[in-house]
Amino acid sequence: DQQVKQNSPSLSVQEGRISILNCDYTNSMFDYFLWYKKYPAEGPTFLISISSIKDKNEDGRFTVFLNKSAKHLSLHIVPSQPGDSAVYFCAASDPLDYKLSFGAGTTVTVRA
Amino acid sequence: DSGVTQTPKHLITATGQRVTLRCSPRSGDLSVYWYQQSLDQGLQFLIQYYNGEERAKGNILERFSAQQFPDLHSELNLSSLELGDSALYFCASTRQGLDTQYFGPGTRLTVL
Repeated sequence: DQQVKQNSPSLSVQEGRISILNCDYTNSMFDYFLWYKKYPAEGPTFLISISSIKDKNEDGRFTVFLNKSAKHLSLHIVPSQPGDSAVYFCAASDPLDYKLSFGAGTTVTVRA
Repeated sequence: DSGVTQTPKHLITATGQRVTLRCSPRSGDLSVYWYQQSLDQGLQFLIQYYNGEERAKGNILERFSAQQFPDLHSELNLSSLELGDSALYFCASTRQGLDTQYFGPGTRLTVL
């Protein structure tokens, strides 16, 4: 049972434009959400997170938005750069559980 | 470099065999997580250890087992291997249980 879903397997965006990645979840107990970035042949790297008490968290070019009522979060990358080309995973944590539930990932390609 | 190390980087073996994957967490981290990533899928949580004790279990097959040693390194043992066990296996670590997880580079297992 996939509790975290990333419905877009891929996204292509022009350099300098905004990349918007979406993630939906089903478990209302999730209270902490993270985005990880993964390059080929490397492990996932933590990018940004958000607690359920917030609806927005910003870190440089990366902003995560959380809509609890819709059980939806999104990651905005502005402006997109060629080095942002990677697979992005959304993950969620249940406070009663120590594991992270991951989405299937979205492959972002930034075109020059 | 996340500070989490995994060996070996690649492993090729035959069906029915047994392998051991090793993970060394970041210095000071007490918690180790194991994940499996099959082709084009997200990361599936397998198991978590905290300071030597099993803390949480995910979709881990009975043919798989893990342990965390007194020096906090962890091993994931996979036995009676099947073709479908071919995947990337990642280890992650955190200081305690609920912090951001930092991932190792992974072990690519190929079962022929």
